[in-house]
Amino acid sequence: DTGVSQNPRHKITKRGQNVTFRCDPISEHNRLYWYRQTLGQGPEFLTYFQNEAQLEKSRLLSDRFSAERPKGSFSTLEIQRTEQGDSAMYLCASSSAGSLINEQFFGPGTRLTVL
Amino acid sequence: GIQVEQSPPDLILQEGANSTLRCNFSDSVNNLQWFHQNPWGQLINLFYIPSGTKQNGRLSATTVATERYSLLYISSSQTTDSGVYFCAVKGADYKLSFGAGTTVTVRA
Repeated sequence: DTGVSQNPRHKITKRGQNVTFRCDPISEHNRLYWYRQTLGQGPEFLTYFQNEAQLEKSRLLSDRFSAERPKGSFSTLEIQRTEQGDSAMYLCASSSAGSLINEQFFGPGTRLTVL
Repeated sequence: GIQVEQSPPDLILQEGANSTLRCNFSDSVNNLQWFHQNPWGQLINLFYIPSGTKQNGRLSATTVATERYSLLYISSSQTTDSGVYFCAVKGADYKLSFGAGTTVTVRA
């Protein structure tokens, strides 16, 4: 297993365009998380899935953001009508619900630049 | 949510020096993790340490859960230790709450 993977690694888009990011968690992990990190700050939680169910959403996740995990494996995060304030690193993490140790492992991130 | 404070915000070390990074948190936690973020943005897991002491090579960590703090020790620092170190905690919910990080610069 090669860990959590994310695609694309970089995305440059114009304001008003839609973008979609993909996250593939560690294969045996059924918990998946999205975080956002802006320059000079720590990551902030966006949303959480257990299998295909989205169980928690942050208030940071405006109605322009939607996340899915249709088959309980990979997840997508879509941002509609992007704004310059959406420019950030989007990080995905996964963990195992079957373990007493709920350690989260992160992917390399997708860096979004909105022009 | 749980508030996490890390200190110092910045740390400049000469190669070979030892250092201590601190993480204070505002409520009971059932998960605490230390990460090192490399220049490309990847968060690398250092320790999963909700309580007790662990060591991994030149790094060690101690969490005193009853007093709501954790310490990360770097001994005999090397230039490759440079980067941002984050402490993150998890309470009763699912998410990790991160501190603002400590930026470590190790000079040769």
